Order: sequence, then C-alpha cells, then structure tokens
Amino acid sequence: GAVVSQHPSWVICKSGTSVKIECRSLDFQATTMFWYRQFPKQSLMLMATSNEGSKATYEQGVEKDKFLINHASLTLSTLTVTSAHPEDSSFYICRGTSGEMQYFGPGTRLTVT
Amino acid sequence: AQSVTQLDSQVPVFEEAPVELRCNYSSSVSVYLFWYVQYPNQGLQLLLKYLSGSTLVKGINGFEAEFNKSQTSFHLRKPSVHISDTAEYFCAVSEDFGNEKLTFGTGTRLTIIP
Repeated sequence: GAVVSQHPSWVICKSGTSVKIECRSLDFQATTMFWYRQFPKQSLMLMATSNEGSKATYEQGVEKDKFLINHASLTLSTLTVTSAHPEDSSFYICRGTSGEMQYFGPGTRLTVT
Repeated sequence: AQSVTQLDSQVPVFEEAPVELRCNYSSSVSVYLFWYVQYPNQGLQLLLKYLSGSTLVKGINGFEAEFNKSQTSFHLRKPSVHISDTAEYFCAVSEDFGNEKLTFGTGTRLTIIP
C-alpha cells in the first residue's frame, strides 16, 4: 500500500552546516505536503505547507530562508535546514495528502552540535 | 485559535485491561477530531475520526472514541488492550473538513504490561 518515507531517519551535523531531509511518497501522489517539527514532550507544530510545483506557505514564526522547502514532484518533497544551529535540533515529520488520503512519514531526528 | 490537551503523557496498562486516553480541545467553531497512532519507527496512522453524525466513532484495532461537545472532549477507549497496542497516541483537531491544518496534542505513550 501507499506509504511515505523519510531520509535520513536521523542525522547529526555541526553548527553552521546545512541538512537536507527527503520525503518520498510511494504508490501515492501527494498533491500537498505538510512539514512538522516536534520538540521533546511537545506536540507536532506545523512549519509549512507546499503544493506540488508551488512555493511553500510558511506558518508564522518559521523562517522561510532558513527552512527551504521544495515540492517539485508529486512524489518528492525536501526540507533543507540551512546554517543549522543547536536550537534547530528536533524531530521533523512530513505528511502527504491527496484529497482525503493522507500519510505521515516516520520522521527525521536532527541533532545539531 | 484551536488547541488540544492530552493530560496524560504516559499510561501503563496491564494486558487485557481496558484503557481510556483523554483528549480535550478548544475551538471557537465546529471542529473535526482525529486520533492517530504512531508505532516505533513508523509514521502516524489514522485510528479514527469524527466528522459529523454519531458521536461514538469506531476505528481500527478495536478502538473507539466518543465526541462530547458539552465537555469538549474526544476520549479514546479500548475494552481490552494487547501488547501490540504499545505506541504513542496523538489527538488532533481541525477546523477544516479536509483535515488540511491539524492541531495536535502532545501525545500519550501507552505501555502495555504483560
């Protein structure tokens, strides 16, 4: 059946470097992709919404120049954390939707040292 | 603005015992309510949802939830849990029928004790 995968599942990077997280949908075409961030013991917080081929819409307080989202195809969306800092350490989750169908990725744990 | 409160961060339950995971929400408009489950190393999966109609909603794996508008609650229940129910459970609310923008609770970790 349809599933959404994320790569990598976890990543450690040095402060100041950039990290790209991929979200791929299998057997499913995600017309809309949502990106969430989850800090320990907190709920998933929506960062941005992107429609295939369009620019992402960011939630208030999320820096669009820091969190670059690309949704170039119906099966791939990427989130790039640019110039990462320790406070960006978090669990990042994507969710793909198409009509009433929706699938979450398993998440990517980012640790910035 | 809408919000979701899951008061219990962890719930340990003996196998075959009943369980209730609590969820309360706040919203100024009509809402649609969801419960998701996340097994280790997997993405969130939809357990059940309330959109309209009967306030008692049945989902997968024997779970059910009841929408109580006066108490603004949507508690999740299962009469007899199994080891395989060990997971993280998230309650979510949306003001959009298409569940585009979901607001999540902080999650409840259900641990089944053999």
